[in-house]
Amino acid sequence: DVKVTQSSRYLVKRTGEKVFLECVQDMDHENMFWYRQDPGLGLRLIYFSYDVKMKEKGDIPEGYSVSREKKERFSLILESASTNQTSMYLCASSRVTQYFGPGTRLTVL
Amino acid sequence: KQEVTQIPAALSVPEGENLVLNCSFTDSAIYNLQWFRQDPGKGLTSLLLIQSSQREQTSGRLNASLDKSSGRSTLYIAASQPGDSATYLCAVKDTGNQFYFGTGTSLTVIP
Repeated sequence: DVKVTQSSRYLVKRTGEKVFLECVQDMDHENMFWYRQDPGLGLRLIYFSYDVKMKEKGDIPEGYSVSREKKERFSLILESASTNQTSMYLCASSRVTQYFGPGTRLTVL
Repeated sequence: KQEVTQIPAALSVPEGENLVLNCSFTDSAIYNLQWFRQDPGKGLTSLLLIQSSQREQTSGRLNASLDKSSGRSTLYIAASQPGDSATYLCAVKDTGNQFYFGTGTSLTVIP
């Protein structure tokens, strides 16, 4: 079975802090994705990566950056967290079918 | 840009009823369509994937159909159970690497 893990289920940070969210997959998938999910807005793509060191902006990249140094690991970075980045963050990987991690609920105070 | 719509936003049915969830998309040039289930506070679990060349897929009590030319997919759930209560999302994959999600249908099955 494909396994996608995320570093934290719940995270509380303060405004202005730098935040790292990590995602690891164990199926050698080329493609990895970061989404945020907010009530009424559905899933919105932040960034995706189709190979090591490659990244593409999604619909809402502002305030975020990503890093993919190894194929199995895709990190989302909030350079200076703000309250409007309070959300559920979901990581996924795919070759054809998309597999999701359990999500990280981030609260920025 | 691809837009995906799911109607209704919420649905409540008595246990044992058969039901249909709807998904529509604006651009028929898709690679595949996937149905997911999401339980509260959890990630998404893949239910069914239909390739663009296929018309339907079945898994147990679930059947998903795809009509690419009209931009529609349906998820049929037979003999619903309280354990089916969740939010159901559809996502279409374009010919690149992007997936586009609907906002989901929240299903409640009443015992």
